[in-house]
Amino acid sequence: DAGVTQSPTHLIKTRGQQVTLRCSPKSGHDTVSWYQQALGQGPQFIFQYYEEEERQRGNFPDRFSGHQFPNYSSELNVNALLLGDSALYLCASSLGSGLGEQYFGPGTRLTVT
Amino acid sequence: ILNVEQSPQSLHVQEGDSTNFTCSFPSSNFYALHWYRWETAKSPEALFVMTLNGDEKKKGRISATLNTKEGYSYLYIKGSQPEDSATYLCASWAGGSYIPTFGRGTSLIVHP
Repeated sequence: DAGVTQSPTHLIKTRGQQVTLRCSPKSGHDTVSWYQQALGQGPQFIFQYYEEEERQRGNFPDRFSGHQFPNYSSELNVNALLLGDSALYLCASSLGSGLGEQYFGPGTRLTVT
Repeated sequence: ILNVEQSPQSLHVQEGDSTNFTCSFPSSNFYALHWYRWETAKSPEALFVMTLNGDEKKKGRISATLNTKEGYSYLYIKGSQPEDSATYLCASWAGGSYIPTFGRGTSLIVHP
């Protein structure tokens, strides 16, 4: 049973560019949450997708957007990249309400230069 | 408390020592608290999901307690082993929000 997978593992982008990160949830899970972890901080909630819709959103600007596909996989898009967007981006999958146990992927390390 | 706070920030113990960490969270409108273990170069792994005041959960040598009225949870590790070395994160759903808030974590290093 494959766990949560994320791609790519690492990414280097230039300020102003756009980036797309991908996540495949654990088999049987229907809810995907995205987190940003900056150096020295705990993971910060970006948004959560359920039934192909954004269900909850954290305090992130509209430059951060996402999508969930019918197979429950998800994408995180960030436009007009800033240096401050450099971070580890984690995806977590869960079942239903989103309050239950989350299974995390290994993350995508994004560096903006 | 509006944020989730974890203490201590880091901890060095000897193999065999028992240790504990604290997670403090908003005590109003509590929904759930999670503990995760995050080993270097791996994904965060769920340890406990706690939802009821007075909850006590145990997994092997690791246990956790929950006090939602005063807004804290303790994580205990009995007889620490080098493989327990990791960052331990807590996340709360509280304060009327369905958005999880993570603490910064407690980094545990167990010396052989």
